[in-house]
This record gives sequence, C-alpha cells and structure tokens, in this order.
Amino acid sequence: NAGVTQTPKFRILKIGQSMTLQCTQDMNHNYMYWYRQDPGMGLKLIYYSVGAGITDKGEVPNGYNVSRSTTEDFPLRLELAAPSQTSVYFCATRTGNYGYTFGSGTRLTVV
Amino acid sequence: KNEVEQSPQNLTAQEGEFITINCSYSVGISALHWLQQHPGGGIVSLFMLSSGKKKHGRLIATINIQEKHSSLHITASHPRDSAVYICAVRPLGETSGSRLTFGEGTQLTVNP
Repeated sequence: NAGVTQTPKFRILKIGQSMTLQCTQDMNHNYMYWYRQDPGMGLKLIYYSVGAGITDKGEVPNGYNVSRSTTEDFPLRLELAAPSQTSVYFCATRTGNYGYTFGSGTRLTVV
Repeated sequence: KNEVEQSPQNLTAQEGEFITINCSYSVGISALHWLQQHPGGGIVSLFMLSSGKKKHGRLIATINIQEKHSSLHITASHPRDSAVYICAVRPLGETSGSRLTFGEGTQLTVNP
C-alpha cells in the first residue's frame, strides 16, 4: 500500500518551461489537494478535488492547472514557469474520518 | 495576522526535556490537526482533535475550543523528535472541500 506517490522528487525548470507534477493515490479517497510550501510560510492550497471530474481553486491557483480524470490521479500542471513558483509542492488526500495523508513532496526550482 | 499562529517559531531542547508547542487560532473550527515534517520533507499526520486530549506514545495533544488554543507536548524528548511541527485547522462551515488552514510551523531541535 503506497499511499500517496508524488513524482518527480526534484526538478529544475527554466523560466517559461512547463511541467506536470504527478500525484497518485491507491486508497480510493475522493478528496485530493495540492499545496505549496514556501520557506517560513504555512502550506497554501493551490487546487483541490472532491472526486473524479470535479476540481476547484484554492488560495493560490494562478499559474497552475489541474485535472482529475480518475480517482487515483491528480496531476498539477505548471504552464510558463516563473521564479515565484519555486517551492516545495505537496499532494494530499483526505480520509473518511477527516485525517490527511501527504505525499513526500516535489522540490521545484525555476531559474 | 494569520488565522493560525504557532509559538515558538524555533525551539532547541536537550534530550529528555519536556517540550510544549502552542497553536492559537482566530476562527471557529470543526477540527485541529498536528502534523510532523521531518528534515527529509515528508509530512505525517500526528493527531486530529475536536475536543479534549489525545495521547500517542510520548506525544500528547490538547485543545481548548473556548480559548481557541491547542498544545502539543513531547515527554522525554529525543533527537529523533527533531522536526517541524505544524498546526492546521479546518474552519467551521468548510464543508465543500474540507480545506485546512496551516500555521507556519515550529522548528524543534533536540540535542543529545
């Protein structure tokens, strides 16, 4: 049982490039979230999904897109990467009793 | 002002000491979470509280809903407890996505 799997763990992007951060869960949870963590700041919600086919914006959605075609996968797309998107990204799921499971994170640097 | 404030921001302790990390919040909540983030970066859920007190091993979490305050205690601290401890709340009325609001975290270092 892998839980929440994020790939890649590290990535360096050039300004203007695009990439997709992958998130897969094997727990059949409906609720999934993408957060970013900047130094000295609390995690900020980028996008979330309450089930396959349903996504919604969080606090800081600009510059990002998501899709949720299956229960298992919740990829985060960065278009036209900017230095302000340098951060650590976490994917998470919510369990039925309102606990949360986090992926191991993706450290992204935009240069 | 953040909705969730943690104190202290940084804490250094000697092995064996009793440690307290505090979390205050300014909104009504339906639940509060304590999370642990190790130097490698992964985040692990420690506790979810809506009232009272919970204990797991050497960790104890308490919450006072009326005072909008929670504490995380670590008894007989050990260097392996060194991590960032994060408080997060689920605001009342947050039903559509069960979204959390996070504190900035407390960096704990336990020296041998």
